[in-house]
Amino acid sequence: QSVLTQPPSVSAAPGQKVTISCSGSSSNIGNNYVLWYQKLPGTAPKLLIYDNNKRPSGIPDRFSGSKSGTSATLGITGLQTGDEADYYCGTWDSSLSGVLFGGGTKLIVL
Amino acid sequence: EVQLLESGGGFVQPGGSLTLSCAASGFTFSHYGMNWVRQGPGKGLEWVSGIGGSGDRTYFADSVKGRFTISRDNSKNTLYLHMNSLRAEDTAVYYCAKDEHYGHFADWGQGTPVTVSS
Repeated sequence: QSVLTQPPSVSAAPGQKVTISCSGSSSNIGNNYVLWYQKLPGTAPKLLIYDNNKRPSGIPDRFSGSKSGTSATLGITGLQTGDEADYYCGTWDSSLSGVLFGGGTKLIVL
Repeated sequence: EVQLLESGGGFVQPGGSLTLSCAASGFTFSHYGMNWVRQGPGKGLEWVSGIGGSGDRTYFADSVKGRFTISRDNSKNTLYLHMNSLRAEDTAVYYCAKDEHYGHFADWGQGTPVTVSS
């Protein structure tokens, strides 16, 4: 069971919007930046969001991130079938002195 | 262009040892922390270990503490993960990742698979 809690799955139709939550505590999300990664089978994870809400070059603005207190949210608008993947939140934990990942959320585009 | 190329994965019996390598290019290796992240079959991402740019600071997940060590050779632009007392639950694809800061992994290798089984 992960220290960072994500819903196991979310689903929505193409073109719609979806949000994925990530809940932690003051030792991790509450006092550190949140990252979001996309993971497709057989490929390396891909950074989507860093520093809570910033997008690396090449990541479309359909992807957004936000943080409030000890929780963070990834938003994806204009869903495409190619967005079907597993999504992970991540952050540093100051008490553990290590990186934490959430358990992952499988996005299903119906 | 940043390139990270893992090697050294394979099949090992429980209790055995294995050393993974990650050859880096396209950036000043010694300026960045480096990490290992794994994904077991049907499981999520799990951070394994990290090391500072000069190699003076190392960090480990509780699941591998005391069994794994991490090191780097900045003259060879290479990161290592030395895995001892391997268990079935260590079976995973192991990725190396370049650390911008505190879990900000913008660049990843393609992964190397490790299977621990009798």
